Amino acid sequence: GDSVTQMEGPVTLSEEAFLTINCTYTATGYPSLFWYVQYPGEGLQLLLKATKADDKGSNKGFEATYRKETTSFHLEKGSVQVSDSAVYFCALRGSYDKVIFGPGTSLSVIP
Amino acid sequence: DVKVTQSSRYLVKRTGEKVFLECVQDMDHENMFWYRQDPGLGLRLIYFSYDVKMKEKGDIPEGYSVSREKKERFSLILESASTNQTSMYLCASSRTLADTEAFFGQGTRLTVV
Repeated sequence: GDSVTQMEGPVTLSEEAFLTINCTYTATGYPSLFWYVQYPGEGLQLLLKATKADDKGSNKGFEATYRKETTSFHLEKGSVQVSDSAVYFCALRGSYDKVIFGPGTSLSVIP
Repeated sequence: DVKVTQSSRYLVKRTGEKVFLECVQDMDHENMFWYRQDPGLGLRLIYFSYDVKMKEKGDIPEGYSVSREKKERFSLILESASTNQTSMYLCASSRTLADTEAFFGQGTRLTVV
């Protein structure tokens, strides 16, 4: 079945460092891909999405490119801030409308 | 502003009790989902519904049931709560189109004692 794998955390970075969180997927057909963010004590909210190969999603300085050849959707940000501290989930929407999530990566940004 | 509302942020229930978790969305979405979130395991799908009175099992349906009598409301039922059902429960909704995202409620932290 469909699945999502993402790098294990936690990740700790200094402010202004470069961030990459790896995400790969397995799915039949052509799923849509998403990154969600969960701030402490809150529910998940959409960060960005891409719906077809080579699409780039971007929001709040974060970017991810849908790479069909490597089945990947890595999240990047050039300069992280303390306010980016959160848990990040990679997800896909494929067969039967299910939304499948990766295990989440906890990010802590220290001043 | 679009909204998914879960009836409680925190619940404490006793082992063996029947527990109802309620979720309401105001976006006229066809699809609704219940997940549980546990440390190290991410979000696991319990049940989802793609229309009124329709439901499909997710990855971990054992010990749970659901009800969707109206389009805007999706209830998760723990028939006889057990301590291993202590978790964060997240409700979500989405449109049917595959390129659309899911919208989440704030979550219900359930503790079974």
